[in-house]
Amino acid sequence: EVQLLESGGGLVQPGGSLRLSCAASGFTFSSYAMTWVRQAPGKGLEWVSAISGGGATYYTESVKGRFTISGDTSKNTLFLQMNSLRAADTAVYFCAKVLECGDNCYCLESWGQGTLVTVSS
Amino acid sequence: QSVLTQPPSVSAAPGQKVTISCSGSSSSIGNNYISWYQQVPGTAPKLLIYDNNKRPSGIPDRFSGSKAGTSATLGITGLQTGDEADYYCGTWESSLSVWVFGGGTKLTVL
Repeated sequence: EVQLLESGGGLVQPGGSLRLSCAASGFTFSSYAMTWVRQAPGKGLEWVSAISGGGATYYTESVKGRFTISGDTSKNTLFLQMNSLRAADTAVYFCAKVLECGDNCYCLESWGQGTLVTVSS
Repeated sequence: QSVLTQPPSVSAAPGQKVTISCSGSSSSIGNNYISWYQQVPGTAPKLLIYDNNKRPSGIPDRFSGSKAGTSATLGITGLQTGDEADYYCGTWESSLSVWVFGGGTKLTVL
């Protein structure tokens, strides 16, 4: 059974940093792309970043240069390093396992329960 | 403003059928594969439909998906109160290398 467990959220001041972790189990972590999706309070889902099994990284425009996605295959853990945080980054952050369902076909197959990041002074 | 457009809300009575639309462009929906997610408030999203119309194991056949041109549709038949949730469409927009979601649709089962 796939399990994804996020941690590392909390309260941080504007301009501060935070590192989120997503511990994965139940599948071969190195063989799958992974992604971070966030949800601001009362709002919809917003894709943040993704990393392929080969290590290629992708970001939404608003976090480029501030956030860094990475994975540690020895620990089966996905990370999101978040720097220069802004109030607009306040959200629940979910990690998700990406399923490649065919040529150029992808979906977010399994999700963690999320971790809350609050950026406020 | 989301790249994919969904109605903010839909409603129907128990036992009835409802459809939720997701419209985009040739570069989003038109050339890519749509997936649908159900999110009960306070919980994580769950994959309902992938590859436009396929259901993961464990998802009942009351849920269906279709795609035509630059629009996709989620259908739910035999509505139950437990189906009350927010529903999101999403796709990997390959031309931009970004994932995009619709704004979400709140389903109320009256």
